[in-house]
Amino acid sequence: AQKITQTQPGMFVQEKEAVTLDCTYDTSDPSYGLFWYKQPSSGEMIFLIYQGSYDQQNATEGRYSLYVHKARKSANLVISASQLGDSAMYFCAMRETKALNSGGSNYKLTFGKGTLLTVNP
Amino acid sequence: DTEVTQTPKHLVMGMTNKKSLKCEQHMGHRAMYWYKQKAKKPPELMFVYSYEKLSINESVPSRFSPECPNSSLLNLHLHALQPEDSALYLCASSQTRGGGTSPLHFGNGTRLTVT
Repeated sequence: AQKITQTQPGMFVQEKEAVTLDCTYDTSDPSYGLFWYKQPSSGEMIFLIYQGSYDQQNATEGRYSLYVHKARKSANLVISASQLGDSAMYFCAMRETKALNSGGSNYKLTFGKGTLLTVNP
Repeated sequence: DTEVTQTPKHLVMGMTNKKSLKCEQHMGHRAMYWYKQKAKKPPELMFVYSYEKLSINESVPSRFSPECPNSSLLNLHLHALQPEDSALYLCASSQTRGGGTSPLHFGNGTRLTVT
C-alpha cells in the first residue's frame, strides 16, 4: 500500500499568487516526520519544511507553510507569493521507524510521486 | 551551496567497468544514505549507514556495494551494471539524534549512464 500519496502530477500558478500542493500519508508509527522537498531540474533535493507527529502547531519557513490535518492524514504545502524560481518538482516525504534484524531501529524516508509546479509570469 | 558533496557529477560506464561514486559531508552527521532516482520518479532508498555501519539494505543487487570508510565519507562501488541501472544517484546525510525528526540533507547527485 502506498504510504505517501500526491494526487497532483502537475500544477500551474501565476507569479505572486499562492498555491497549495496536496499530500496524504498513511502510517501506524506513532512517531513520524513529514517533510517537503523541492527538486529543480538540476537534480538537487532541497529540504523545505518539516513537521513531526508530536508537534502541535503547523510549521512555517518563509514563504512555505505546512498544514497537517492528522484526522485526514493530510500534509499540504502552501507556497505564498509564488516566484518563477519556484518552478520545480515538489516531493512530500514521510519518515518512519524501521525495525532492524539486529534488534535496533533506523529511520526510513519514503517519498511521494511528486508534483511538478510551473509558475507562469 | 549544498553541504553534501558528490563526485563525479556525471558518469558514463560500460557494463564491464568498475567505478565508484563518492559522497562527503562535514556536518557531523552520523547517518548517511544512498538513493536511486529514475527519471520522473521519486527517489528510492538503497542503503542506510548509521555510525559507519550498514543498517538498512533495501534488497539492492550485489552489483552495488556501499562502503562507509569514516563518518564523513560514503562510497558506492559499481560493478557489472546493467543499462536499467542508469539513474540519478543521490547521497544524503542526517543527524541520528532526535528520532525521525531530522531532515535528510542531499547532495546534487551523480547522473549515471550505463552503456
